[in-house]
Amino acid sequence: DTAVSQTPKYLVTQMGNDKSIKCEQNLGHDTMYWYKQDSKKFLKIMFSYNNKELIINETVPNRFSPKSPDKAHLNLHINSLELGDSAVYFCASSPQTSGRGTGELFFGEGSRLTVL
Amino acid sequence: SQKIEQNSEALNIQEGKTATLTCNYTNYSPAYLQWYRQDPGRGPVFLLLIRENEKEKRKERLKVTFDTTLKQSLFHITASQPADSATYLCALMTTDSWGKFQFGAGTQVVVTP
Repeated sequence: DTAVSQTPKYLVTQMGNDKSIKCEQNLGHDTMYWYKQDSKKFLKIMFSYNNKELIINETVPNRFSPKSPDKAHLNLHINSLELGDSAVYFCASSPQTSGRGTGELFFGEGSRLTVL
Repeated sequence: SQKIEQNSEALNIQEGKTATLTCNYTNYSPAYLQWYRQDPGRGPVFLLLIRENEKEKRKERLKVTFDTTLKQSLFHITASQPADSATYLCALMTTDSWGKFQFGAGTQVVVTP
């Protein structure tokens, strides 16, 4: 059973389009994240939700809008796609929301977005 | 600005030897430091966490050290195997920003038989 699953795995689209990436976790975690990994392999946090509530919102263009319908799902919608949005987007979840435990992140397999 | 640096050059090592990776940081006072493994086309997988008040952590053939004076963590893979070939990422987090891990770019390790 896949713990953190993302769809689609690959997404190729034209500039200006709107697209969504979906994420689901079956680990029972309260916290979910979106990370972006660029061509230089840096993983940068974008958003974090705890039990459907937005708790981390990094400096991300407001063309990016996360939505969490329930604590097991966190989707990412991107409007008016630009060339610079091309990257791999990773969803992750974590069981901890405080200083207890390891803060271990469980990542999905990634969604590779290519904007032409 | 805060910076996390990992050696961008791949580390080529012979099977059975110890691989040592470094994670250096500046303008940062992390309370937690994690190490992840990432295989091509896959998501990172958590390996170890070490806290600022801990000097060393071990898990099987892995060992992590954390020197807050040097602002450096070392990650060791002992008795390396070809299956250890991957990119290894360090991630840092401060006490007041739980969950907001900042990642290094990673170091690729290639273990040859």
